Amino acid sequence: RKEVEQDPGPFNVPEGATVAFNCTYSNSASQSFFWYRQDCRKEPKLLMSVYSSGNEDGRFTAQLNRASQYISLLIRDSKLSDSATYLCVVKAGNTGKLIFGQGTTLQVKP
Amino acid sequence: DGGITQSPKYLFRKEGQNVTLSCEQNLNHDAMYWYRQDPGQGLRLIYYSQIVNDFQKGDIAEGYSVSREKKESFPLTVTSAQKNPTAFYLCASSIDRRTGYTDEQFFGPGTRLTVL
Repeated sequence: RKEVEQDPGPFNVPEGATVAFNCTYSNSASQSFFWYRQDCRKEPKLLMSVYSSGNEDGRFTAQLNRASQYISLLIRDSKLSDSATYLCVVKAGNTGKLIFGQGTTLQVKP
Repeated sequence: DGGITQSPKYLFRKEGQNVTLSCEQNLNHDAMYWYRQDPGQGLRLIYYSQIVNDFQKGDIAEGYSVSREKKESFPLTVTSAQKNPTAFYLCASSIDRRTGYTDEQFFGPGTRLTVL
């Protein structure tokens, strides 16, 4: 089993749609959680950290469920510019290293 | 402008040749990392360094070597022992996790290495 698993997609949605991505992790000792965004052939950039209480940044909402070991990202009112690959990232509890999921690809269509 | 630079952006090499990828940061970050990304896969950690003159192997260190002689620089050498070196190589840095305020890693623009 992979340490961090995501549905690779692609998710094809129309502009204005709401889309949700899930991610599961295997190490219950994991401490920190993130969503990174990666545009085609570019480097990943931090989108948002994921806190236990859940957090929101504009159209983006991230949630963490420690009991079930999954993280979610909700994007409301999708824009064409949201088209990218979204990487779920978990900080390993005992090493401090970041573990990256394979990414979920989102295509927002006009 | 503060940031991380990697050079070159594209690199072509013949099989059997060693090649060194450059990574420089002026963010005053203590920790630096090298990742490899293959199509449809997540990033995999090759090596990381938390302080100058110290580094540790990541998950796929075989066939690679690094040095950390300066805080700003963390070059990666892809040796001829690496069986499948063609990939997208990403360098990142972060504030030292032992004392820092964030786990965020900042990435350079990457180097696409193609071995012919």
